[in-house]
Amino acid sequence: SQQGEEDPQALSIQEGENATMNCSYKTSINNLQWYRQNSGRGLVHLILIRSNEREKHSGRLRVTLDTSKKSSSLLITASRAADTASYFCATASYGGSQGNLIFGKGTKLSVKP
Amino acid sequence: DADVTQTPRNRITKTGKRIMLECSQTKGHDRMYWYRQDPGLGLRLIYYSFDVKDINKGEISDGYSVSRQAQAKFSLSLESAIPNQTALYFCATSDPTGLFGELFFGEGSRLTVL
Repeated sequence: SQQGEEDPQALSIQEGENATMNCSYKTSINNLQWYRQNSGRGLVHLILIRSNEREKHSGRLRVTLDTSKKSSSLLITASRAADTASYFCATASYGGSQGNLIFGKGTKLSVKP
Repeated sequence: DADVTQTPRNRITKTGKRIMLECSQTKGHDRMYWYRQDPGLGLRLIYYSFDVKDINKGEISDGYSVSRQAQAKFSLSLESAIPNQTALYFCATSDPTGLFGELFFGEGSRLTVL
């Protein structure tokens, strides 16, 4: 049961450009989280935004949440080659299995030097 | 040393064999999880445990079993492996404060079933 769906599936940009990834979900959420995965490695938590928050920043990352549209976006500014990775959104919802974060299929970002 | 350690990192086995993937953590978290990742399908929850006496099935528990031997250890078993269980398996932990906190992942165990 996929809750979050990222868009686009793949994104290729030049170093220094901004990268925007979107996530749409279907049911009401408690929070939405973004994770990063380098190829074949474990996922690393980037940022968590709660349902009553609209925007959050962490370094070069900016996350927005629009609960009326059931969507979130992750913006990476001034991208670097080291940002090349897959990015996943994960939603946490009441009513589902407790503790079950439901992950989307991810956006594969490639940043070319 | 990593906070969440998975062993083995890579395993090739044959159909019908029993396989155990082990996970240990030094974060002191009560909550532990096993996820499976397949190309194009994202991560899917297999089992999760909120403490040593608590085991819960996730979205795709059929064909798998788990054991929570201690707060720090959570193992995943495939009693009779089949080729469609070929995947990348992740163990994760989370802090019990708050229902839906961030997950801390291990580096993964890549399993190939021939």
